[in-house]
Amino acid sequence: QKEVEQNSGPLSVPEGAIASLNCTYSDRGSQSFFWYRQYSGKSPELIMFIYSNGDKEDGRFTAQLNKASQYVSLLIRDSQPSDSATYLCAVNLPTSGTYKYIFGTGTRLKVLA
Amino acid sequence: KAGVTQTPRYLIKTRGQQVTLSCSPISGHRSVSWYQQTPGQGLQFLFEYFSETQRNKGNFPGRFSGRQFSNSRSEMNVSTLELGDSALYLCASSLDSHDTDTQYFGPGTRLTVL
Repeated sequence: QKEVEQNSGPLSVPEGAIASLNCTYSDRGSQSFFWYRQYSGKSPELIMFIYSNGDKEDGRFTAQLNKASQYVSLLIRDSQPSDSATYLCAVNLPTSGTYKYIFGTGTRLKVLA
Repeated sequence: KAGVTQTPRYLIKTRGQQVTLSCSPISGHRSVSWYQQTPGQGLQFLFEYFSETQRNKGNFPGRFSGRQFSNSRSEMNVSTLELGDSALYLCASSLDSHDTDTQYFGPGTRLTVL
C-alpha cells in the first residue's frame, strides 16, 4: 500500500462547480497535511495546510481532515479554468527523529469552460 | 523575501557524464530537500539536509549525492548519468523539519540525458 494515495484523474468539472479532490494516507503517525498545485511544466506551489480534524477554509479552497479515516480532501468552490492543474497531497511523516514529506502522485483537474 | 532559486534551469547531458545542480533556499530556511519528478513516478524524495548534515535519504542509488553549505545553499550531484535520470529535479526549503513546517519549492532543473 502506498503511503499517500490519490486518484490520478483526470477529474473534469464544469466552470463554477465544486471540485472535490481526495487523498488517503497509511501512517497514523502523520500529523500535518498539505495541498500543492502544480501547473504543467512548473514547480508545486502551496495552496494550504491542515493539522487538525475538521475543515479549514482559505478563499475558494477548503481542506478537510479526518484522522480516524486517514483521509484528507480539498474542495475548490466556483472552479475556474485557471484551476486546471495537478493537485498534490503531501503528509509530513515522523521518521528517525525528524520528519519527511511524502507526496501522492497527484490528481489532474480539468475545469471546463 | 526572495523564493527558492535553482540553477541551472535546464541541462542536457549524455550518458556517463556527471552533473551538479544548485539550490539556494529562502533566507532563514535551514532545511533543504531534493526531489526527482518524472511523469510515471511523481515526486520522489532524494534527500534532506539540515545544518550541513544529511538527515533523511530516499531510495536512490549512491550515484545521487548531495551536500549543504554553511549558508544553507545545497548542491546535488548525479554521477554516471543514465537515460532514466532524465527528470525535473526540485529543491524545496523549509525553516526546519518539524511536523508543521511547510516546504516551498524552487522552479526546478530540467535534466535531459541523451
